Amino acid sequence: DGGITQSPKYLFRKEGQNVTLSCEQNLNHDAMYWYRQDPGQGLRLIYYSQIVNDFQKGDIAEGYSVSREKKESFPLTVTSAQKNPTAFYLCASSLAGPYYGYTFGSGTRLTVV
Amino acid sequence: SQQGEEDPQALSIQEGENATMNCSYKTSINNLQWYRQNSGRGLVHLILIRSNEREKHSGRLRVTLDTSKKSSSLLITASRAADTASYFCATVPYNNNDMRFGAGTRLTVKP
Repeated sequence: DGGITQSPKYLFRKEGQNVTLSCEQNLNHDAMYWYRQDPGQGLRLIYYSQIVNDFQKGDIAEGYSVSREKKESFPLTVTSAQKNPTAFYLCASSLAGPYYGYTFGSGTRLTVV
Repeated sequence: SQQGEEDPQALSIQEGENATMNCSYKTSINNLQWYRQNSGRGLVHLILIRSNEREKHSGRLRVTLDTSKKSSSLLITASRAADTASYFCATVPYNNNDMRFGAGTRLTVKP
């Protein structure tokens, strides 16, 4: 079955540590996105990529980094520069950008310990 | 920045009743989409309505769009307990390649 997979489901980060969240899709979608969701709030865009080897910053890119070396993969690194990283992170993909519906992964819950 | 704003923030109804959620936005859009999110899960795409469309249906869902008022509504008819979730509207502005989500409406359907 085609879908989008995020791992791990839960992640704990120590102060000053970088962590990487995985996002893989086998839908042959060109566009991929990372969103952050805080409790009781909507989604805020971190980064997005419309083609391989290209990506753009969203509204809250500071303290995060991404890469898009393969069409199927769009990992997100939460760096130590992100001072408040505790949140629910959602990855999504789309056939060709926001003119189609997005398919979301099941999310990664990141907690700073 | 968030584009759409849902109203109400929370809605509680009995099973079998209809649920209506509203979304208002500020700038011209290419399309507007509705998503559902069960607690602690990813979002599921429900309906996409384009700026030149006024109404779309999908099963028990009906979405309307009024571009003159910059607003949309999602109607769920004959609600079920399984419809309990948060519902988000998301807008795609003209000449833009990303989508903005509102804060959502938390729907509770009591059996």
